Amino acid sequence: LAKTTQPVSMDSYEGQEVNITCSHNNIATNDYITWYQQFPSQGPRFIIQGYKTKVTNEVASLFIPADRKSSTLSLPRVSLSDTAVYYCLVGGYSGAGSYQLTFGKGTKLSVIP
Amino acid sequence: ETGVTQTPRHLVMGMTNKKSLKCEQHLGHNAMYWYKQSAKKPLELMFVYNFKEQTENNSVPSRFSPECPNSSHLFLHLHTLQPEDSALYLCASSQALSGGPPGNEQFFGPGTRLTVL
Repeated sequence: LAKTTQPVSMDSYEGQEVNITCSHNNIATNDYITWYQQFPSQGPRFIIQGYKTKVTNEVASLFIPADRKSSTLSLPRVSLSDTAVYYCLVGGYSGAGSYQLTFGKGTKLSVIP
Repeated sequence: ETGVTQTPRHLVMGMTNKKSLKCEQHLGHNAMYWYKQSAKKPLELMFVYNFKEQTENNSVPSRFSPECPNSSHLFLHLHTLQPEDSALYLCASSQALSGGPPGNEQFFGPGTRLTVL
């Protein structure tokens, strides 16, 4: 299983760009990288997913270097409502009836007014 | 509201009790998952069902027994649990697993907060 490592916590001021990096040194060929956001008393919510290079959607960007051993979630111009825990997830379906997923321990982002 | 509901939201049970957690998804998905979220630990994938067939059981103790009667419903039957099983149990669903992205986007329910006395 690909082990993931992320910072435990981060602080940011409103309006700033926040970059959260996840390390996954033994990522497998079939594995995709997904990021989720979780608020207290709620289940995680999908943010973005990628395999390599850069992916962008309406809320975030995901940067994945060529070796895929890390990934960086970028949140542009954060607001107070972005205060949450962000999880990096690495996993894939091998097609042999096996499905492996490894969540990181999460990064608690606190946005300061 | 994610389209995935879980009941009950809170459950307190003794170690000798038998209870069941229920998950229902209204999204037309064909893959469903059970996760365990404990304090200070990462989300742990417990079980995966793809088209009602169990595809993954990540070394979960037999005191947890999943059941997937159809693509919209998922149960987790609990018996003779231990205090260390106290946690938030999350259900999720996604498009069917097919060798592409890992289930694409998973939609999570709000979870059941379980306390074992």
